[in-house]
Amino acid sequence: KQEVTQIPAALSVPEGENLVLNCSFTDSAIYNLQWFRQDPGKGLTSLLLIQSSQREQTSGRLNASLDKSSGRSTLYIAASQPGDSATYLCAVVTGTDKLIFGTGTRLQVFP
Amino acid sequence: EAQVTQNPRYLITVTGKKLTVTCSQNMNHEYMSWYRQDPGLGLRQIYYSMNVEVTDKGDVPEGYKVSRKEKRNFPLILESPSPNQTSLYFCASTSATGRASNQPQHFGDGTRLSIL
Repeated sequence: KQEVTQIPAALSVPEGENLVLNCSFTDSAIYNLQWFRQDPGKGLTSLLLIQSSQREQTSGRLNASLDKSSGRSTLYIAASQPGDSATYLCAVVTGTDKLIFGTGTRLQVFP
Repeated sequence: EAQVTQNPRYLITVTGKKLTVTCSQNMNHEYMSWYRQDPGLGLRQIYYSMNVEVTDKGDVPEGYKVSRKEKRNFPLILESPSPNQTSLYFCASTSATGRASNQPQHFGDGTRLSIL
């Protein structure tokens, strides 16, 4: 059974730091991996999607990498800002098109 | 504006009283799904639908029903709600699935259900 784990569970950093959020999954037979952002009281916003054949995706200050063979993905946030404060979730799409989520990393960036 | 709309956003009800949470998307997406989010457990998939009249169980389908009579709508039905179904529910949709898919999931804003 696919399990997705995110480390750390919570992170508090000063503005301007470069951050790495980690996601690991137990079954490498995935279609893709997605990173989402969730603000309190809101739904999820898609940040990046990496297909199983890709190694990384970039969007602005965000870069996500995927190492399918080792079951790992990282989300790199450059020059963090207070507006980046949110919960970050990774999810894998399995071979049966199910989306399996990690429990998230709660990020706080303070001025 | 492309969006997934859930209603109601908040609902407090009592055990055993049937309820329906509606979900509608205006993006002509084939794939729709329902999740519940609980503290410490994260988001778990309840049901999903690959297209009209096609539905499949996710990881936690017990106590829920769904239907997909039209492409845009995917209601979640709780025939006899119980307190353990108190949770935050999300509907999502995407245009493509499978290995070649590069389309992300679009989520609604959530429905907070409290079953007393």
